[in-house]
Amino acid sequence: GQQVMQIPQYQHVQEGEDFTTYCNSSTTLSNIQWYKQRPGGHPVFLIQLVKSGEVKKQKRLTFQFGEAKKNSSLHITATQTTDVGTYFCAEPMDSNYQLIWGAGTKLIIKP
Amino acid sequence: NAGVTQTPKFQVLKTGQSMTLQCAQDMNHEYMSWYRQDPGMGLRLIHYSVGAGITDQGEVPNGYNVSRSTTEDFPLRLLSAAPSQTSVYFCASSYLIRPYEQYFGPGTRLTVT
Repeated sequence: GQQVMQIPQYQHVQEGEDFTTYCNSSTTLSNIQWYKQRPGGHPVFLIQLVKSGEVKKQKRLTFQFGEAKKNSSLHITATQTTDVGTYFCAEPMDSNYQLIWGAGTKLIIKP
Repeated sequence: NAGVTQTPKFQVLKTGQSMTLQCAQDMNHEYMSWYRQDPGMGLRLIHYSVGAGITDQGEVPNGYNVSRSTTEDFPLRLLSAAPSQTSVYFCASSYLIRPYEQYFGPGTRLTVT
C-alpha cells in the first residue's frame, strides 16, 4: 500500500541547535500535512503544503514541498524547549478521506 | 466549541472485559476516525466513518466495533479486551473537503491486564 517514509525516528539536539525531519514517498503526493504531538498530548495540525516547490514559514519553523512533490521537510531553527515533541507528516487521500501517516520524528532536547 | 471530546481519559480493564470509548465532536464534521498509538509508535487507523450510518475498517480493525448513528458521535467498542489492546486511543474528525485537516481528541489511555 501507499506509504510515506519519515526520517529520522529520533533527533537529539542541544537547545539552540537546528532540527530537520524529512518525508519521502515513492509516488507523487497530492499535498502533505504536518502535525505536532507534544509529550502526553494529541496531534495538532500545523500546516498543509500543496504546490510544487512550496515553502511556508511559521516563526522558526520552515516547511518545504519538493519540486517533484515526492518529498517534504520541516526545519526548526534554534530549537527551544517548547519545540519538544513528535512531528508527523501525513498525506490526505482523496479516495477515502484518510490520512497516510509517516512514523514521526521525535525531537529531544539534551539536558 | 468543545471540538473533539473523548471519555474516559484513563481506563483499566481485565482481559475479556468489554467497554465503549466515547467520542463526540461539535464541528459538524462528516468524517470521524479512531486511531491507536502504541508507545514510541505512529498512528494506526482502526475504523472510520464518512457520515451517519456509514463505517469502514482501517488498518487494524480486529477486536473493535464502531457505529455512527449521528453526525456528532462515534463510539468505539472493545468486544473482549486483550493485553495487546493496551494503547492510547485517539478519535479524530474532519470535513470531507480538502484539506481534510484532522482535529484530534485528547485521547483515552487504556491498560488491559
